[in-house]
Amino acid sequence: DAGITQSPRHKVTETGTPVTLRCHQTENHRYMYWYRQDPGHGLRLIHYSYGVKDTDKGEVSDGYSVSRSKTEDFLLTLESATSSQTSVYFCAISDDRGKGFFGQGTRLTVV
Amino acid sequence: GESVGLHLPTLSVQEGDNSIINCAYSNSASDYFIWYKQESGKGPQFIIDIRSNMDKRQGQRVTVLLNKTVKHLSLQIAATQPGDSAVYFCAETNTDKLIFGTGTRLQVFP
Repeated sequence: DAGITQSPRHKVTETGTPVTLRCHQTENHRYMYWYRQDPGHGLRLIHYSYGVKDTDKGEVSDGYSVSRSKTEDFLLTLESATSSQTSVYFCAISDDRGKGFFGQGTRLTVV
Repeated sequence: GESVGLHLPTLSVQEGDNSIINCAYSNSASDYFIWYKQESGKGPQFIIDIRSNMDKRQGQRVTVLLNKTVKHLSLQIAATQPGDSAVYFCAETNTDKLIFGTGTRLQVFP
């Protein structure tokens, strides 16, 4: 998958706990994205990064934060997980705007 | 891999027939469009893209058509094969943000 790895692949967590998902790339691409995928909504952009320490909000950023301290890593943090954040999360990378290559996804369940 | 059970529009075609998947996009300022394929348990996979200065682009067995007047995008798959069974998404952008449509499920019957 174009040198992109998401971890963990599955996680179950309790409501109110913080959770961090990691996206790691070996392609040295400038852009990195976090999406969530839910039935009936397709893929929705949470946050994205256009360089180290440069991030911006997407469509559904409330309750999420991100950090990018190195080109290869983009972290997504759920500050206090809620049941509405149960979803499949995908990371994508791009060396040009738009044309993203996706990871395998992380299934997060908040109980 | 990961998969999401999606309640999606479904297109059913017979193996060997041509498939046409349609997408209406929302932003008239969008200038770049992409089609993705998502197989069960996997992340979306890039198929083909097109810029707004074009109205047609062809790849291997796939063609994308863009009608900016009515904000419509279509993906044509020639000689559809069982391996084409998947969910297909269109995506649009005019900035750094790629915005996805809700997707269409393609089912291929022998």
